Amino acid sequence: KQEVTQIPAALSVPEGENLVLNCSFTDSAIYNLQWFRQDPGKGLTSLLLIQSSQREQTSGRLNASLDKSSGRSTLYIAASQPGDSATYLCAVRRDYKLSFGAGTTVTVRA
Amino acid sequence: DAGVIQSPRHEVTEMGQEVTLRCKPISGHNSLFWYRQTMMRGLELLIYFNNNVPIDDSGMPEDRFSAKMPNASFSTLKIQPSEPRDSAVYFCASFSGVGNQPQHFGDGTRLSIL
Repeated sequence: KQEVTQIPAALSVPEGENLVLNCSFTDSAIYNLQWFRQDPGKGLTSLLLIQSSQREQTSGRLNASLDKSSGRSTLYIAASQPGDSATYLCAVRRDYKLSFGAGTTVTVRA
Repeated sequence: DAGVIQSPRHEVTEMGQEVTLRCKPISGHNSLFWYRQTMMRGLELLIYFNNNVPIDDSGMPEDRFSAKMPNASFSTLKIQPSEPRDSAVYFCASFSGVGNQPQHFGDGTRLSIL
């Protein structure tokens, strides 16, 4: 069974600091890895999707890397803003199934 | 694009009552998923439909839970009878079935069983 772990569980940083969120998974036979954002009372919004053959994916201030062989992914958010405050979840896909981590709750202080 | 639409957004009911959650997937998506999110267990897949057919219901916790997808634009998740431990946020997600595309999630139904 795929186990997905996210460290740290919570993170508080001052505005402008770069954020580094970590995700690890136990089974490297994945189809892709996704990073989602979840705001309180809302659903999940897909931020980045990295195919198993890719090493990284970028969108604006967000960059996600994938090291499939070691079972790790990192989400970098540059120059954080208060609007980045949310819970960030990673999920790995095998076949049709997504296995989710518990998330990292980020607070960016103004 | 209206996104995945779930109703109701919030449901509070008493133990033993029947609860029906509804989902309208994105038009053209042929895969639909129901998830449950709790603090203790995180996000869990309950059931997966492809082309309106249930493919994997191994995540449905008990016989009290049932799900249907009568057509490509509507799905229901029913709990009968409901119990306090069913309290959670229930999400519906849809997927186009095209390679490396993400699943799209609704805003969820926050269910409280008293």
